[in-house]
Amino acid sequence: NAGVMQNPRHLVRRRGQEARLRCSPMKGHSHVYWYRQLPEEGLKFMVYLQKENIIDESGMPKERFSAEFPKEGPSILRIQQVVRGDSAAYFCASSGDSSYNSPLHFGNGTRLTVT
Amino acid sequence: GIQVEQSPPDLILQEGANSTLRCNFSDSVNNLQWFHQNPWGQLINLFYIPSGTKQNGRLSATTVATERYSLLYISSSQTTDSGVYFCAVGGGKLIFGQGTELSVKP
Repeated sequence: NAGVMQNPRHLVRRRGQEARLRCSPMKGHSHVYWYRQLPEEGLKFMVYLQKENIIDESGMPKERFSAEFPKEGPSILRIQQVVRGDSAAYFCASSGDSSYNSPLHFGNGTRLTVT
Repeated sequence: GIQVEQSPPDLILQEGANSTLRCNFSDSVNNLQWFHQNPWGQLINLFYIPSGTKQNGRLSATTVATERYSLLYISSSQTTDSGVYFCAVGGGKLIFGQGTELSVKP
């Protein structure tokens, strides 16, 4: 029973390039959450999605960042025109129900380095 | 928004010792979870515990929702317990505390 799968594990991009991070939730889970962890800091909520819908994007930067969770396929977090400050670990989590009343399960994260 | 404070920020233990980690939150919540981030960066869900007490092996957790705090107990600590322990609260989105960094020495 596969857990939350994220890829790639490590991603290196030059300033100005695009970064695409993928997340496949646990089997049977339809709720996906993205979090960002800067060095030596805790996890900051970015966005909460259900299939084809963005439920809460209050933690997403206003520019350059977008997320989707299509009917088929993984959830994608897209960062356009990356800058050095985007270097961080990006974690995806999923739950079988809204996280109002069910546990979150995290993937192993994608470590983004912007050079 | 909800504020989450964890204490202590750092903790060094000798193998075999017991410890208590605390999480205070500023508003009533219907969801509270504890996570362990190991030295390789993996996040493991330890407990989903909006109220009451749960135990899993050497770990147990208690949440007193009316008083807005939760405690994580680690007994007979082992070196593999090292890492950062996060408390997260909320509903819909979870808000994480800053964590307690635990180091267990052999």
